[in-house]
Amino acid sequence: GAVVSQHPSWVICKSGTSVKIECRSLDFQATTMFWYRQFPKQSLMLMATSNEGSKATYEQGVEKDKFLINHASLTLSTLTVTSAHPEDSSFYICSARVAGAVGYTFGSGTRLTVV
Amino acid sequence: GENVEQHPSTLSVQEGDSAVIKCTYSDSASNYFPWYKQELGKGPQLIIDIRSNVGEKKDQRIAVTLNKTAKHFSLHITETQPEDSAVYFCAAIYYNNAGNMLTFGGGTRLMVKP
Repeated sequence: GAVVSQHPSWVICKSGTSVKIECRSLDFQATTMFWYRQFPKQSLMLMATSNEGSKATYEQGVEKDKFLINHASLTLSTLTVTSAHPEDSSFYICSARVAGAVGYTFGSGTRLTVV
Repeated sequence: GENVEQHPSTLSVQEGDSAVIKCTYSDSASNYFPWYKQELGKGPQLIIDIRSNVGEKKDQRIAVTLNKTAKHFSLHITETQPEDSAVYFCAAIYYNNAGNMLTFGGGTRLMVKP
């Protein structure tokens, strides 16, 4: 089946630094990728939708200059948290929609802790 | 957009008993309803899904039912086991200019006591 590989699984960074999270579709072409943020004991909240080769569409309230999304190829999307602050600490999950299919495949998530 | 509500938020059952989680959705145009299981520190994993042209689907101990008229769908787990303990999310597909989009319910933390 469709597999999305997400790295790193966890990262600790200092406040003010930037962190990049990668998601790769291993055996399919992901024309659309989604980035979610999940706080403890809460549901997944969609941050942005990215289509290969075009700018990401951000959900209301998500700062596009802080959460940079790049989807330069059909198999790779990255989320960069710039100038991270402790309140950005969360679990970030990517998801890909397989071209021509209705289903979604999720990455394994990245636990970001900003100290 | 779509709004999905999920109940209960927590559910504790004895091993071997059944567990039922219910969800309602608002957009009558939604036609795909997946269920995800999320273990601690991991991403959601699809466990079963149902399309709107089907009323029920079963896969071993897991079943999902859909009532399009009432706009609700349910997950049924029979003969629960401790390894079923996790957070379960229902979701519904809705459509916008970007194509089909997934909306999650709030999640149910299932605890199966040995």
